[in-house]
Amino acid sequence: NAGVTQTPKFQVLKTGQSMTLQCAQDMNHEYMSWYRQDPGMGLRLIHYSVGAGITDQGEVPNGYNVSRSTTEDFPLRLLSAAPSQTSVYFCASSYSLTGVGYEQYFGPGTRLTVT
Amino acid sequence: GNSVTQMEGPVTLSEEAFLTINCTYTATGYPSLFWYVQYPGEGLQLLLKATKADDKGSNKGFEATYRKETTSFHLEKGSVQVSDSAVYFCALSKPGTNAGKSTFGDGTTLTVKP
Repeated sequence: NAGVTQTPKFQVLKTGQSMTLQCAQDMNHEYMSWYRQDPGMGLRLIHYSVGAGITDQGEVPNGYNVSRSTTEDFPLRLLSAAPSQTSVYFCASSYSLTGVGYEQYFGPGTRLTVT
Repeated sequence: GNSVTQMEGPVTLSEEAFLTINCTYTATGYPSLFWYVQYPGEGLQLLLKATKADDKGSNKGFEATYRKETTSFHLEKGSVQVSDSAVYFCALSKPGTNAGKSTFGDGTTLTVKP
């Protein structure tokens, strides 16, 4: 099992450029999420998905789009990059049994800098 | 809404010292509670968890007990090592369709000196 994989590991963008951060998991987890991590602010939820074809906004969705066409993949698209989107981005997957929430499995992160 | 409040850091301890990192939460119903650890340059990984009141999670010498009466989930370790230096996050998740997303505290940076 590779677990949760993310590409790229590092990326530098210019303001206004667009890009897609890739995320894949091979654990057949139903839930997938995107978080951003900024110093002193913990992790903030951007978007999440409860299954293929179903996505919802999190705490800080503006400037980001997601789609989930398969159970395995959950890409995050930055439409027009801004310096405020400089951050470390983590993808995570999870599962539940009888409705009880279980732990998140995190990818290694993508460090994004927008100049 | 849901929230998690962690003890502010950074925390610096000498090797073999006792560690406590406080965590309290606000949530309706019966959330699951977690401690995650993040080593430099890596993603978060689960350290321990508890899914119902009075459960004790434990792993690698760390422990935390789910206290519903005080809405707390404090992390403890009796004797820390240099290798425990990392950022620790307290988190919760709710059952049902919200089970796939978590609410995190701001993180506490622990440095252990030899």
